[in-house]
Amino acid sequence: DAEITQSPRHKITETGRQVTLACHQTWNHNNMFWYRQDLGHGLRLIHYSYGVQDTNKGEVSDGYSVSRSNTEDLPLTLESAASSQTSVYFCASSGPSRNSPLHFGNGTRLTVT
Amino acid sequence: GQQLNQSPQSMFIQEGEDVSMNCTSSSIFNTWLWYKQEPGEGPVLLIALYKAGELTSNGRLTAQFGITRKDSFLNISASIPSDVGIYFCAGQQWQNAGNMLTFGGGTRLMVKP
Repeated sequence: DAEITQSPRHKITETGRQVTLACHQTWNHNNMFWYRQDLGHGLRLIHYSYGVQDTNKGEVSDGYSVSRSNTEDLPLTLESAASSQTSVYFCASSGPSRNSPLHFGNGTRLTVT
Repeated sequence: GQQLNQSPQSMFIQEGEDVSMNCTSSSIFNTWLWYKQEPGEGPVLLIALYKAGELTSNGRLTAQFGITRKDSFLNISASIPSDVGIYFCAGQQWQNAGNMLTFGGGTRLMVKP
C-alpha cells in the first residue's frame, strides 16, 4: 500500500544545530506539506510544494526551509534550531485533483534543548 | 493565519451517548474534511464532503457540508471507548496549482466506559 513516512519519529537536538526531518511518500502525489502542531495552536502550515522544484512559505516559515528535488521527498530543515521550534512536525501529501484530500504521516517529535 | 471555528473544544461523555461537533468559517470552501488524531499518530481522514448540502456516513459517523459552504458538522452515534481522540475539521480550497487546507482547532473527545 502507498504510504507517507516520516523520520526520525523522535529527535533531540541542541540550540543552534542544523536539523533535517525527512518525509517520503509513495503515492506519487504532487502536493506535499509540512505542519507543526503545538498545544493551543492546532496545525500550522510551515512550507508546501506543488511539484518538483516548487516550494512556498506557509504561515510559520521563519527558521525553516524545504527543497523538492523529486516527487517522493520533501525534507524540512531547521537552519539553526531554537527552543521555540520544539514541536511535533507532520508531513502530508495530496493528489492533483481539486477533490484530493490530505494524507498525513505519523509525525516527528522534535525537542530543542 | 486563518482558522476555522470548531466547537466544542472538548467533550467528556458516557459510552453509548451520541456526539455532535461543528465548524464554521467566514470563507467558502470547496471541500470539507474531518480527521481524527490519536496520541502519537498523525491525523487520519474520516470523511470527505464535496458538495454543498451533502450528507455522508461512515459507519457510526455522519457529516454534512453546509448549504452556505461555510460550515460543517460531524455526528458520532453510540460512542465507544475507541472513539477517544482529537477530531479536526478542515476546509479545502484550490489555490493556484494545488489544494490548501485550513484547520479547526480540534475537539478533544473523552469517553467514559
